[in-house]
Amino acid sequence: DIVMTQTPLSLSVTPGQPASISCKSSQSLLHSDGKTYLYWYLQKPGQSPQLLIYEVSNRFSGVPDRFSGSGSGTDFTLKISRVEAEDVGVYYCMQSIHPLTFGGGTKVEIK
Amino acid sequence: EVQLVESGGGLVQPGGSLRLSCSASGFTFSSYAMHWVRQAPGKGLEYVSAISSNGGSTYYADSVKGRFTISRDNSKNTLYLQMSSLRAEDTAVYYCVKPHIPVWVSLYYFDYWGQGTLVTVSS
Repeated sequence: DIVMTQTPLSLSVTPGQPASISCKSSQSLLHSDGKTYLYWYLQKPGQSPQLLIYEVSNRFSGVPDRFSGSGSGTDFTLKISRVEAEDVGVYYCMQSIHPLTFGGGTKVEIK
Repeated sequence: EVQLVESGGGLVQPGGSLRLSCSASGFTFSSYAMHWVRQAPGKGLEYVSAISSNGGSTYYADSVKGRFTISRDNSKNTLYLQMSSLRAEDTAVYYCVKPHIPVWVSLYYFDYWGQGTLVTVSS
């Protein structure tokens, strides 16, 4: 199974400042079809996870443009250009080359 | 509007059994594989099980293989997870999740999650 490793474990950010989360996979997520099956979810306190980014860098419907994803192969990054109070929660990366696996999560809180 | 509503969670003793249900609406349930993901208290997300659209294929994580059984009733738009020989480490919120495209296990993301149902295994 592909192991997903996220860093840091937690992040305390001043509102308006940027934040960055890293996700590394134990194998390349580049599929033979040319797509890379890496996603980012945010789980806000008390809620179910919600999709932010699909296939490395595509924002899901309704996701603010302060969220961006980048990377390739085994190294990926989620960036928040200017953190807002509503961005608090735990961020997870996920890959869907069977069997699907999640990263351990990065907790983002506001200073 | 897509809705996934889980039920059936609760407190059960170690070694006991429980059946979770997920009632789906707002999409053509019978066309989609469906999945279960769980989250232990204060922990991350773990992919548990999946079933193909017609129920003919299933997948289980090693941690639940031989103890959990996933099934579905397309006439009732309902997904099930029968859990037996429960252990303390099965304590978690169990989410019913829908993939964004009707494919079998691979190359998709989950676009809709239920609110989850809490299973607590304790004596």
